Amino acid sequence: AQSVSQHNHHVILSEAASLELGCNYSYGGTVNLFWYVQYPGQHLQLLLKYFSGDPLVKGIKGFEAEFIKSKFSFNLRKPSVQWSDTAEYFCAVKNQAGTALIFGKGTTLSVSS
Amino acid sequence: GAGVSQSPSNKVTEKGKDVELRCDPISGHTALYWYRQSLGQGLEFLIYFQGNSAPDKSGLPSDRFSAERTGGSVSTLTIQRTQQEDSAVYLCASSPFPSGAEQFFGPGTRLTVL
Repeated sequence: AQSVSQHNHHVILSEAASLELGCNYSYGGTVNLFWYVQYPGQHLQLLLKYFSGDPLVKGIKGFEAEFIKSKFSFNLRKPSVQWSDTAEYFCAVKNQAGTALIFGKGTTLSVSS
Repeated sequence: GAGVSQSPSNKVTEKGKDVELRCDPISGHTALYWYRQSLGQGLEFLIYFQGNSAPDKSGLPSDRFSAERTGGSVSTLTIQRTQQEDSAVYLCASSPFPSGAEQFFGPGTRLTVL
């Protein structure tokens, strides 16, 4: 069965530090990959997505992610985090049937000012 | 325009009771999804609607769970004879794309079964 692994359960950073959140998926075929973010008290929203083409995708709020097919990875990065980036981050892959997203368990990011 | 809305926002019920959770998708979105988020877990897929039909209900955990969608719009998730392990946040998402290329999530319903 397809699966998504997020290696970091909780990441704590100071403002201006660089961020990289790991995500690995299990499916080896054509993949559609996503990062969603859930700010405290808010609902899930899309940060960025990859379907095809340039493996380095840019999303909102200065986030980017790199698709590395050989490593089955889609890591999320941001050069300099802000306190407002404190949130829970979910990596997801569309399932083979194309009928649902399969989510990782999420990474909680805490940024101190 | 309005986003996905869900009601109620919170529901507390006693074990063994039935509950109904409602989702109003974004107008015009043909695809609708239900997910469940339990404490410390990621989002678990429950069911997918395309229009009024449910081509994928493989994520429903037991026959106590059912869902319907009427008029290609509002959806209701019903849990019969609730158990404590049903306690979770139930999320609804909709998409204008049948492939679900991008899903827009609602705020969720937090269900607590005592």
